[in-house]
Amino acid sequence: QSALTQPASVSGSPGQSITISCTGTSSDVGGYKYVSWYQQHPGKAPKLMIYEVTNRPSGVSNRFSGSKSGNTASLTISGLQAEDEADYYCSSYTSSSTLVFGTGTKVTVL
Amino acid sequence: QVQLVESGGGLVKPGGSLRLSCAASGFTFSDYYMSWIRQAPGKGLEWVSYIISSGSTIYYADSVKGRFTISRDNAKNSLYLQMTSLRAEDTAVYYCARGTTRAEYWGQGTLVTVSS
Repeated sequence: QSALTQPASVSGSPGQSITISCTGTSSDVGGYKYVSWYQQHPGKAPKLMIYEVTNRPSGVSNRFSGSKSGNTASLTISGLQAEDEADYYCSSYTSSSTLVFGTGTKVTVL
Repeated sequence: QVQLVESGGGLVKPGGSLRLSCAASGFTFSDYYMSWIRQAPGKGLEWVSYIISSGSTIYYADSVKGRFTISRDNAKNSLYLQMTSLRAEDTAVYYCARGTTRAEYWGQGTLVTVSS
């Protein structure tokens, strides 16, 4: 159950687009459509931003989008805003019927 | 509205035990899988365990298997995590969440500190 690999940090200027990668294996990310993304502000509980690779829960801005290619999933934030500054985590279902989270990415808005 | 409220955290000595509870409201608890996820201070999220809606199937992370037991009482709309043989590395905020791959609702978390 090794954590999925994410870049430690990603930054961008307001209005720009950024992409966060999440790399796993064929036993997790590559093998299932069950990849999710969570946003976490300091001291707060995580918030679901994307589920099943590309789907946004009700109320989540359409500036957030997800995709997957092979064993790597990605979260793109377009039109970057100050409130997007947070930690982001991916998660995936695994072949063992368990779940695994990514290592986390700190997004900084310059 | 959906609410999840964890309780039961606190300071415990290494080797000790603790039982966490998660009180659910605002939805039909018995319809949903439920999960426990933890976060060590300054660290990332770690999935701990999940239980299906009926309670008949359970999965654990290797790091807690054999020491932690997840359970639920659908009549009381409650989720539990019995933790035994606690170690320093179990120190974390423990969150309960509705769902597994689509954890749309989370509690505020309860802090468990394992220290002598």
